[in-house]
Amino acid sequence: LAKTTQPISMDSYEGQEVNITCSHNNIATNDYITWYQQFPSQGPRFIIQGYKTKVTNEVASLFIPADRKSSTLSLPRVSLSDTAVYYCLVGSNQAGTALIFGKGTTLSVSS
Amino acid sequence: GAVVSQHPSWVICKSGTSVKIECRSLDFQATTMFWYRQFPKQSLMLMATSNEGSKATYEQGVEKDKFLINHASLTLSTLTVTSAHPEDSSFYICSALPQRERYEQYFGPGTRLTVT
Repeated sequence: LAKTTQPISMDSYEGQEVNITCSHNNIATNDYITWYQQFPSQGPRFIIQGYKTKVTNEVASLFIPADRKSSTLSLPRVSLSDTAVYYCLVGSNQAGTALIFGKGTTLSVSS
Repeated sequence: GAVVSQHPSWVICKSGTSVKIECRSLDFQATTMFWYRQFPKQSLMLMATSNEGSKATYEQGVEKDKFLINHASLTLSTLTVTSAHPEDSSFYICSALPQRERYEQYFGPGTRLTVT
């Protein structure tokens, strides 16, 4: 599975846009890019998934350049409740493939 | 949406005893479930892959005789920590992969195990 590299931590203020970039230089053709959010003592929660270009849902956008060697999770107008750990995962779209978590990015949002 | 539950949410047990943790997919069938453990301030570590009706596949370094996994139905997988020791104290999280999905997995809320 492709290894991912993310910043260990990021700080932001309420109302700002936050962009978390993930590097995955060895991504394979069949790999999708998925982001999860985790609050303390809770299981991870799916945020967004994409294969290429741009994907947007009600909570975030995911930007993937043409070479797919990196991706950027964009959180618009963050609030205090967005303080969490964000994981970027890259893996095959084959059913039954486990998700391998990297270290993640701890986002701290202040007022 | 797809919901995965875990029971219990927290448990305290004495050294040498066994503890069973249940993972259920409430509104979908899951051929495959995964078990992770997470120590404080660390990321999730995959322990094993559980397939309904077959033996679990354990990751390197995970003792299969200590962490017994049973996936008896398409909605239930159990993890039994046998002869628990204080170093087994951790946050155990399961995830389930719906049959219809290719990649998106749904995670349970986790079980906090404390071994005294």
